Amino acid sequence: DAGVIQSPRHEVTEMGQEVTLRCKPISGHNSLFWYRQTMMRGLELLIYFNNNVPIDDSGMPEDRFSAKMPNASFSTLKIQPSEPRDSAVYFCASSLTGTAPYYGYTFGSGTRLTVV
Amino acid sequence: AQSVTQLDSQVPVFEEAPVELRCNYSSSVSVYLFWYVQYPNQGLQLLLKYLSGSTLVESINGFEAEFNKSQTSFHLRKPSVHISDTAEYFCAVSPSADKIIFGKGTRLHILP
Repeated sequence: DAGVIQSPRHEVTEMGQEVTLRCKPISGHNSLFWYRQTMMRGLELLIYFNNNVPIDDSGMPEDRFSAKMPNASFSTLKIQPSEPRDSAVYFCASSLTGTAPYYGYTFGSGTRLTVV
Repeated sequence: AQSVTQLDSQVPVFEEAPVELRCNYSSSVSVYLFWYVQYPNQGLQLLLKYLSGSTLVESINGFEAEFNKSQTSFHLRKPSVHISDTAEYFCAVSPSADKIIFGKGTRLHILP
């Protein structure tokens, strides 16, 4: 298995532009998580999907952020409009429902977003 | 609510010296504990985990962690660190079947 695949690895965009981050979870995993990592705030859980349905989006910072999971093999995190304070590394992680205590999550390599 | 506290945000240590990264957790139910490692410019990787049984768990690269129920701790140790151990280390607890709560991380700096 290729693991959790995120694209792009790096994204530089201008303030006000729309940004879309993509994630392909491990085949067979049905739980998907989006995290944001910054020096100031550390690792923050943004949203959690189970069987393609958003279960907990309480970590989504504001309405500019939205996430979708149209099918079991693809998810997007969109920021519109983007702001410099959104600059961070965004991680996607996946797991098989019910197995987190035994196997943990598998993380992607992240997307480093810079908003100028 | 369950939580994880990593007591040190940064730990500098000389190469070949021992190191301990501290982690305390709060939990009122069965405890499943993890240490994850994040190397520079990479995602988090599972380093080791405690589920049950022996309180001492080991990783393939020489790290070990000991589950101490009375002190609610799960400290990570290595007797001799190498420059390649430079990374950020996250302690985590799983309070339910789908949830993992991560600590804020400890950056390990290896000094030559």
